[in-house]
Amino acid sequence: AQKVTQAQTEISVVEKEDVTLDCVYETRDTTYYLFWYKQPPSGELVFLIRRNSFDEQNEISGRYSWNFQKSTSSFNFTITASQVVDSAVYFCALSEGGDKIIFGKGTRLHILP
Amino acid sequence: EAQVTQNPRYLITVTGKKLTVTCSQNMNHEYMSWYRQDPGLGLRQIYYSMNVEVTDKGDVPEGYKVSRKEKRNFPLILESPSPNQTSLYFCASAPAQGNTGELFFGEGSRLTVL
Repeated sequence: AQKVTQAQTEISVVEKEDVTLDCVYETRDTTYYLFWYKQPPSGELVFLIRRNSFDEQNEISGRYSWNFQKSTSSFNFTITASQVVDSAVYFCALSEGGDKIIFGKGTRLHILP
Repeated sequence: EAQVTQNPRYLITVTGKKLTVTCSQNMNHEYMSWYRQDPGLGLRQIYYSMNVEVTDKGDVPEGYKVSRKEKRNFPLILESPSPNQTSLYFCASAPAQGNTGELFFGEGSRLTVL
């Protein structure tokens, strides 16, 4: 069965610090997809990134970067030089290809000015 | 503007009074899904639909019904709401199968069942 674990329930960092959000997944499939979504205080859910299981290349988008490691079943998300606008709940999600998408419980990130 | 629209955004109702939360998307997406968000539990999938007249259960389907008679609409029906269905509900859509691209979410519907 598929499972996503975000062990960090809540994190607080001071602005401009780097922060990493952890995501560990479980799946028996060799083909699967991983996602990160952001939920700012306004409540909407915003797609950040999708990764398939055959592409382990790390990705960088501005201050955001993602580290996908199949050996440890992890798909971690790092924010460099954090800003107050990064304050949000972040969800990691997994799909095995059957159209069910399983989300983790989320990590609430507070960026303190 | 491309969007997923949910109604109502807020609703307070009483136990047993049937209600429907509508969801409509204007992007011609094939895939649609309903999630509920509860504190400490994250987002849990209720039902999803890969296309018209095709629906499947997610992880928490009990107490809910859905239908997909038209591509753009995917209503969530609570036949006899109970207090444990008090939650924040999100509808989402995706161009093809849900795992091949980003999900577009509605703004959410906050439901309180007394």
